[in-house]
Amino acid sequence: QAVVTQEPSLTVSPGGTVTLTCGSSTGAVTSGHYPYWFQQKPGQAPRTLIYDTTNKHSWTPARFSGSLLGGKAALTLSGAQPEDESDYYCLLSYSGAVVFGGGTKLTVL
Amino acid sequence: EVQLVESGGGLVQSGGSLRLSCVVSGFTFSSYSMNWVRQAPGKGLEWVSYISSSSNIIYYADSVKGRFTISRDNAKNSLYLQMNSLRAEDTAVYYCARIDLGWGQGTLVTVSS
Repeated sequence: QAVVTQEPSLTVSPGGTVTLTCGSSTGAVTSGHYPYWFQQKPGQAPRTLIYDTTNKHSWTPARFSGSLLGGKAALTLSGAQPEDESDYYCLLSYSGAVVFGGGTKLTVL
Repeated sequence: EVQLVESGGGLVQSGGSLRLSCVVSGFTFSSYSMNWVRQAPGKGLEWVSYISSSSNIIYYADSVKGRFTISRDNAKNSLYLQMNSLRAEDTAVYYCARIDLGWGQGTLVTVSS
């Protein structure tokens, strides 16, 4: 089964920009993996931020954007806010399986 | 408003069984695939199982294959997960999810050894 990799932790300054990435052990991530990004705060269920690489929901703050970057899926946060401190998980779809990354703990400091 | 409400979790002995249920509202359940996802205490998210809208395509994670069975009843807007031969490592919060849209609040399954 494929392994999906994320940075274990990242720190961003308030108002700053940070990019979280999501790689695949099978090779380059493409739109065919339908990358998703989820935000999860302590004690809460995950919330879907981005689906199908770039698509946002009405509740997704405009400062979040999804893309493909250097063979990986990427979640870019531009203008970080204290409330963005959270765990972020990506998910990739493969033939016959769906795999989560290990998650990135984002600190806004 | 989209709502997914899981139930059926609890404490069970190793080797036992549980059946989780998820009732969905706020979207046309019969038109969408669904997933079960779990999260062990202090750990990350782990995908468990997928079922297509008409139940004709079903996938399982290797860790649960042969022990868990996913099913759905589109007339009842309900998703199920039958879990047999439970192990201590199955202890987790189990989420019902239409992963492109929304997640339930989760139900805790604790397997005692």
